[in-house]
Amino acid sequence: RKEVEQDPGPFNVPEGATVAFNCTYSNSASQSFFWYRQDCRKEPKLLMSVYSSGNEDGRFTAQLNRASQYISLLIRDSKLSDSATYLCVVYTGTASKLTFGTGTRLQVTL
Amino acid sequence: DAGVIQSPRHEVTEMGQEVTLRCKPISGHDYLFWYRQTMMRGLELLIYFNNNVPIDDSGMPEDRFSAKMPNASFSTLKIQPSEPRDSAVYFCASSFFSDTQYFGPGTRLTVL
Repeated sequence: RKEVEQDPGPFNVPEGATVAFNCTYSNSASQSFFWYRQDCRKEPKLLMSVYSSGNEDGRFTAQLNRASQYISLLIRDSKLSDSATYLCVVYTGTASKLTFGTGTRLQVTL
Repeated sequence: DAGVIQSPRHEVTEMGQEVTLRCKPISGHDYLFWYRQTMMRGLELLIYFNNNVPIDDSGMPEDRFSAKMPNASFSTLKIQPSEPRDSAVYFCASSFFSDTQYFGPGTRLTVL
């Protein structure tokens, strides 16, 4: 079983739609969680951290469920510029390293 | 403020040749990471350093790969000899603590 699992997609949604991505992780000792965004032929960039209480940044909402080892990202009112691959990322302090999911591709269309 | 700098941005070489990739981390960051990304395997951690010391190289695929960090502002990843299966995008990332990492633009390596 992969340490971090994501649905690769692609998710094709019209502009203005709401879309949700899910991610599961296997290591219960994982401490921190993130969503990174990667545009085509570019480097991954931090989108937001994920907290147990849930956190929101504009149109983006991230949630963490430690009991189920599950992370989600919700994007409201999708824009064309949201088209990218979204990487679920888990940090394990004992190993001091990030583990990346393979990413979920989002394509927002007119 | 400059981000992580990598060079070259693109490298095309022939099988058997030595390849050296370079990275300058963000000033003040004490962690440096080397990743490889392919369509098949996604983003894989190869090795990381803390305060210039290699901490975990378990992701280095084989002895053909080596990495050094002679000082806080420079690191290299060397492949010798290179093989076609090494073709990938190689990213360097740095961080102050090891969780929030900032990536360089990557080096796109093609081995013919």
